[in-house]
Amino acid sequence: GAVVSQHPSWVICKSGTSVKIECRSLDFQATTMFWYRQFPKQSLMLMATSNEGSKATYEQGVEKDKFLINHASLTLSTLTVTSAHPEDSSFYICSARVDGGVSGELFFGEGSRLTVL
Amino acid sequence: DAKTTQPPSMDCAEGRAANLPCNHSTISGNEYVYWYRQIHSQGPQYIIHGLKNNETNEMASLIITEDRKSSTLILPHATLRDTAVYYCIVRVALYNQGGKLIFGQGTELSVKP
Repeated sequence: GAVVSQHPSWVICKSGTSVKIECRSLDFQATTMFWYRQFPKQSLMLMATSNEGSKATYEQGVEKDKFLINHASLTLSTLTVTSAHPEDSSFYICSARVDGGVSGELFFGEGSRLTVL
Repeated sequence: DAKTTQPPSMDCAEGRAANLPCNHSTISGNEYVYWYRQIHSQGPQYIIHGLKNNETNEMASLIITEDRKSSTLILPHATLRDTAVYYCIVRVALYNQGGKLIFGQGTELSVKP
């Protein structure tokens, strides 16, 4: 199947700093990518839909000024957690939909674990 | 999208078939049943999806009842590596309506030696 790569896999930062997480589709183009957040022992929560060349669409309750999403190319979306605080510590996962794909599935990255001290 | 109900946890002996049920009594005619799984601390992995007919691939089989109100994911010979949380999601085809997936709580499958 198609491969989605996230970087970094894990990151530790100090409170108040900003952290950028990259999501790349390695062998396909993805006009649309999705960002999820997952707290321990909980399910994945959709944060936003990232669209190449346009603004992201955020789910209700997700602060767009805190979680900045940029989808500058057909293979790269970035999530920046601005002024991170300990409550932002979580597992962030991206997924991508294959442009022109007919099989219907989404491909997920391996996730990025953020710890804010 | 139709809501799904799954048991929170199940156990299965290694080498035996794992049968994971999912109820989706409010499913609409144009909604598919998708199955994903998430192994601990990894991103979700696509398993299989179907509309009406039973489906089989190298990973699993999907059995959908005739009235489409429930389905069962079958892992024919479970291994320890199949221990994961399994999510049943019902929605219109992923290439429609933006393609986003909303995850429920899933079933935590533990495969035991």
